[in-house]
Amino acid sequence: EAGVTQSPTHLIKTRGQQVTLRCSPISGHTSVYWYQQALGLGLQFLLWYDEGEERNRGNFPPRFSGRQFPNYSSELNVNALELEDSALYLCASSLPGVAPGELFFGEGSRLTVL
Amino acid sequence: GNSVTQMEGPVTLSEEAFLTINCTYTATGYPSLFWYVQYPGEGLQLLLKATKADDKGSNKGFEATYRKETTSFHLEKGSVQVSDSAVYFCARYNFNKFYFGSGTKLNVKP
Repeated sequence: EAGVTQSPTHLIKTRGQQVTLRCSPISGHTSVYWYQQALGLGLQFLLWYDEGEERNRGNFPPRFSGRQFPNYSSELNVNALELEDSALYLCASSLPGVAPGELFFGEGSRLTVL
Repeated sequence: GNSVTQMEGPVTLSEEAFLTINCTYTATGYPSLFWYVQYPGEGLQLLLKATKADDKGSNKGFEATYRKETTSFHLEKGSVQVSDSAVYFCARYNFNKFYFGSGTKLNVKP
């Protein structure tokens, strides 16, 4: 069974540009979470999607946005990139339901903003 | 507020040494608690979890006990191996959100 897949694995952008990161969850998982892992700052929660709806959002500006498609894959968009957006962006998926289940993580997309 | 605090690393140990990585949390309600591990070049994966007070999670020789009175979930292993070298993240879940600590890097030397 395929795990959570993310693309691209690495990318370099310049300030002011826009980027789209993609995530495919494990088959059967309807929830997708996005996290930012900046150097030395641990994982910061960005967004949670479930059944195509945004369910929760972390403390990030509106230029961070995303969506979930009918097949439960997801995109994270970051507009007007800033240098501090350089980080590893991790996607995780989980089974549906209210009970706290396990998160399955992808290997991340490493974004460098110059 | 709601947060997870874990000891700063890196932690460097010799093989077969005893490991403790401290984790404390602040939360309203009764969160579930987790330890995730990130091996070099890989994504995070669940190591163990505990869903209520006094529960003990265990896996691969690692253990952590949910201590409500001290709001802690310290990770322990009696004898570490070189293959345990990784970054360890403490996390809590409640109100439909996972919160992660900043991670503790463990280096185990042969």
